[in-house]
Amino acid sequence: EADIYQTPRYLVIGTGKKITLECSQTMGHDKMYWYQQDPGMELHLIHYSYGVNSTEKGDLSSESTVSRIRTEHFPLTLESARPSHTSQYLCASSWGADEQYFGPGTRLTVT
Amino acid sequence: ELKVEQNPLFLSMQEGKNYTIYCNYSTTSDRLYWYRQDPGKSLESLFVLLSNGAVKQEGRLMASLDTKARLSTLHITAAVHDLSATYFCAVGYSGNTPLVFGKGTRLSVIA
Repeated sequence: EADIYQTPRYLVIGTGKKITLECSQTMGHDKMYWYQQDPGMELHLIHYSYGVNSTEKGDLSSESTVSRIRTEHFPLTLESARPSHTSQYLCASSWGADEQYFGPGTRLTVT
Repeated sequence: ELKVEQNPLFLSMQEGKNYTIYCNYSTTSDRLYWYRQDPGKSLESLFVLLSNGAVKQEGRLMASLDTKARLSTLHITAAVHDLSATYFCAVGYSGNTPLVFGKGTRLSVIA
């Protein structure tokens, strides 16, 4: 069973606030990913990491940033939340180019 | 450009009927993954297909991979309501390229 965790699970926050979504995995996977997904819609890759101190932007232009200081931890930060950021954010991890394991997601609402 | 196309994108089927979801991809690959997503939930892994001709079955679902045709199929046998969900295929490539996901097939099984 994959062990990948996301906190918070739900967040309602006002416009302009800074927020950090947490993602941790205990599997020792080298690669980690952040996806944005509106309900029932396709996945959009916003950031990924090959390993410690490596991060890349994905296909979807995003106003967020990420860091990878430890193998197991891959937080996503929004410096100034806007209503357009309202969505579900999914974190995933994998070993190399193998199957990705997904966390439970964070549902973000920006008012 | 790496492209993964699923069809149909929306599928409404009656209980007891059979149907097939198709996943075509644009560039040679020998690894393909199927995921299931229930409404409001995250993605969970269904099948891992790692070679030409691979076939995996679980319950009423069977997945296959034809790498020469760049095609995977997810066949549903005698559908039941519990299979209602969104199904994603994802194609893996070598190196540091993340999985490329299809847009998902939203399946609704009705009585």
